[in-house]
Amino acid sequence: DAGITQSPRHKVTETGTPVTLRCHQTENHRYMYWYRQDPGHGLRLIHYSYGVKDTDKGEVSDGYSVSRSKTEDFLLTLESATSSQTSVYFCAISAEGYEQYFGPGTRLTVT
Amino acid sequence: EDKVVQSPLSLVVHEGDTVTLNCSYEVTNFRSLLWYKQEKKAPTFLFMLTSSGIEKKSGRLSSILDKKELFSILNITATQTGDSAIYLCAVLSGTYKYIFGTGTRLKVLA
Repeated sequence: DAGITQSPRHKVTETGTPVTLRCHQTENHRYMYWYRQDPGHGLRLIHYSYGVKDTDKGEVSDGYSVSRSKTEDFLLTLESATSSQTSVYFCAISAEGYEQYFGPGTRLTVT
Repeated sequence: EDKVVQSPLSLVVHEGDTVTLNCSYEVTNFRSLLWYKQEKKAPTFLFMLTSSGIEKKSGRLSSILDKKELFSILNITATQTGDSAIYLCAVLSGTYKYIFGTGTRLKVLA
């Protein structure tokens, strides 16, 4: 299995609070991604990174920000959580031109 | 706009049946097509296909790509209840952009 972990694995938070999810890899891959997965929508890309301090938006980036200060860590922040951000969040990594590998996921509930 | 479409959306079969899952795509700068299996957790990688007509095989699963007609199929023979999952198709555009379909939900009955 690819060395990729996510923390926390489960989180319940209240509307309006900031939340940070962490993705950590030990594969030294250049590319890292954050997706959310919801019934009927499949995997939707939130943000991705193509190197340290190099990030870009995906298709559903509103309300989310990211940071990558080290190759191995990619943080996803919900600036002010809303109920519509209740979802399962997956981090993924890839080497250039190769398959993606996914982390175990974080189940986030915003009440 | 790039898109990946999978069919059928869901499928129910009995153990021992053979199933064929479909994935069609319209993607600029196509590089490869990938299949994933997702049970009650993260997607796990099955195959990556880059060339037309060359079958990839792993046990009872096999897949082939047609770059002229822009589709791929995933075959599962002699299905087992453990094959029950969502099967995701993705296309890699360029070096790092992956476009996912919404998946096919397969249920195998004992």
